Amino acid sequence: AAGVIQSPRHLIKEKRETATLKCYPIPRHDTVYWYQQGPGQDPQFLISFYEKMQSDKGSIPDRFSAQQFSDYHSELNMSSLELGDSALYFCASSLVGRLTNTGELFFGEGSRLTVL
Amino acid sequence: KQEVTQIPAALSVPEGENLVLNCSFTDSAIYNLQWFRQDPGKGLTSLLLIQSSQREQTSGRLNASLDKSSGRSTLYIAASQPGDSATYLCAVRRWANSKLTFGKGITLSVRP
Repeated sequence: AAGVIQSPRHLIKEKRETATLKCYPIPRHDTVYWYQQGPGQDPQFLISFYEKMQSDKGSIPDRFSAQQFSDYHSELNMSSLELGDSALYFCASSLVGRLTNTGELFFGEGSRLTVL
Repeated sequence: KQEVTQIPAALSVPEGENLVLNCSFTDSAIYNLQWFRQDPGKGLTSLLLIQSSQREQTSGRLNASLDKSSGRSTLYIAASQPGDSATYLCAVRRWANSKLTFGKGITLSVRP
């Protein structure tokens, strides 16, 4: 079965550079979530989209932005990178707009960002 | 604000032992609860999903229970194996389309 695809899997950037992470949800899933997990930390919610509209916002820095496109894939853009942005970034998808929806979130393998 | 707590932070058991991992949450108004497994530096693998109307779910050697009114869930692992060594995270969801709020996880080590 198709899973959530994230790219790139690994990314190394210098301070003050920009990075873009991509997420391809499970086909027919209508909701995408982004999480950030620092070393030894639990995943922290950043932002979510339902049917291409932002549905919720968490502890996402102003330097970060995200969007969901017409094909439902999503991108997380991070600018003016700081050392503290080094983390594992997860994307998850879910099917919300169905009566049979179980509400289960499926996570991708994550994108590891290292800021030097 | 929902808070999810998992205690202890780490657990070490000998192989073959049955064990229980605990999870508590402060707001009992949840839509569902998910248990995840995470290996070091890897992604989150969903183990079990319990809807708010359910009391338990089973998958192989795993059994998860939910007591929504008391804000508690347990993950029972039968006959633990070294391959079960990982971090186990509990997460709750407020509504059908809302984010998951995670606990900090329990790092399990099963000794051969």
